[in-house]
Amino acid sequence: DIQLTQSPSSLSASVGDRVTITCRASQGISSYLGWYQQKPGKAPKLLIYAASTLQSGVPSRFSGSGSGTEFTLTISSLQPEDFATYYCQQVNSYPITFGQGTRLEIK
Amino acid sequence: EVQFLESGGGLVQPGGSLRLSCAASGFTFSSYVMNWVRQAPGKGLEWVSTLTGSGTSTYYADSVKGRFTISRDNSMNTLYLQMNSLRAEDTAVYYCAKLLYPSGNIYFDYWGQGMLVTVSS
Repeated sequence: DIQLTQSPSSLSASVGDRVTITCRASQGISSYLGWYQQKPGKAPKLLIYAASTLQSGVPSRFSGSGSGTEFTLTISSLQPEDFATYYCQQVNSYPITFGQGTRLEIK
Repeated sequence: EVQFLESGGGLVQPGGSLRLSCAASGFTFSSYVMNWVRQAPGKGLEWVSTLTGSGTSTYYADSVKGRFTISRDNSMNTLYLQMNSLRAEDTAVYYCAKLLYPSGNIYFDYWGQGMLVTVSS
């Protein structure tokens, strides 16, 4: 199985900050990676797919990059509604796996 | 508008069974691969199972293989998850989820509201 490790596991930041979350895969997955945002009590929301393609309706302050084994999600200027938990997901092969999550909190 | 109506969650004893349903609307259900994803309380996301649009191909996480069965009724636009031999570690919120593209990579663009399944005596 492909393991995904996100760092950091939690992060405190302020509105307006630039934030980067990293996801490392245990083996190469080309660009078969997605990013999701989840708020408490809600279903996850797809932000980025194919490592760097912004899902329709997602603000342009979100961006993704990387390929192979190392990927990043960047939020260029944090907004109040961005405080949530973020997960990466690999779709290169079954079983589909998710990272353990990164909790983004208000400083 | 894509919508899901999930039902069937609840409290069940260890070793028991439960069937989850997910009624879909707003898209051509029969064309899309459909999925179940779960989230244990306070934990991360875990993919559970995937089923092709025709219903001919299924995929399962090792943690549920042999105990859970995914199925669909395209005439009713409904996805199912039959869960047998339930264990305490199956306690989670279960989501049905639709693929971004009908049969492309397993990115989930629409999710149900989630159903809590609690396995406890």
